Amino acid sequence: GAVVSQHPSWVICKSGTSVKIECRSLDFQATTMFWYRQFPKQSLMLMATSNEGSKATYEQGVEKDKFLINHASLTLSTLTVTSAHPEDSSFYICSARIDWGDLGDEQYFGPGTRLTVT
Amino acid sequence: AQTVTQSQPEMSVQEAETVTLSCTYDTSESDYYLFWYKQPPSRQMILVIRQEAYKQQNATENRFSVNFQKAAKSFSLKISDSQLGDAAMYFCAYRSWNAGNNRKLIWGLGTSLAVNP
Repeated sequence: GAVVSQHPSWVICKSGTSVKIECRSLDFQATTMFWYRQFPKQSLMLMATSNEGSKATYEQGVEKDKFLINHASLTLSTLTVTSAHPEDSSFYICSARIDWGDLGDEQYFGPGTRLTVT
Repeated sequence: AQTVTQSQPEMSVQEAETVTLSCTYDTSESDYYLFWYKQPPSRQMILVIRQEAYKQQNATENRFSVNFQKAAKSFSLKISDSQLGDAAMYFCAYRSWNAGNNRKLIWGLGTSLAVNP
């Protein structure tokens, strides 16, 4: 089956530093990747949608200069949290969409990255 | 805009019993997808079941089945013969048929399911 990995799975960083999270589709090419944020016991909040080779589309209220998304290839997207602050501490999840054309498409989710900013 | 509502924040069921999780949605579209996702304590999101709106037949996956009522905009999930491993957060999600919005998912707030031995 389709597998999506995220690295790191857990990261602690100091306030003011930047941290990069990678999302990889291991055995398929992803037309689109999505980045979510999830607070404890809450639903997923879509942050942005990224398509390979083009700028990410950010959801309303998400600071694009703070959450930098790069989708350099069909198998890799990165989320960089710049100048992180404690309020950025959260669980970040990516998903990758595979397109089968007339047969439809599907999203597969990464295992998530827990970010703690001290 | 589309919305998804899960009115049961928490549910519990006895092992081997059946439980039904509710989901309603609002849309003006006629073609769309509906999903149930499971998020266990590991937090890995897992697709449980998927329903295409144009299909009248309710989707089933082993012990999981849905009751899709298009006119009522209702999409409930039934878990039969509940197992301890079914304990998780369950999210209902909606997705448009067309590609205009990159096919992003609209999520409900989730239902936390506990399975009692």
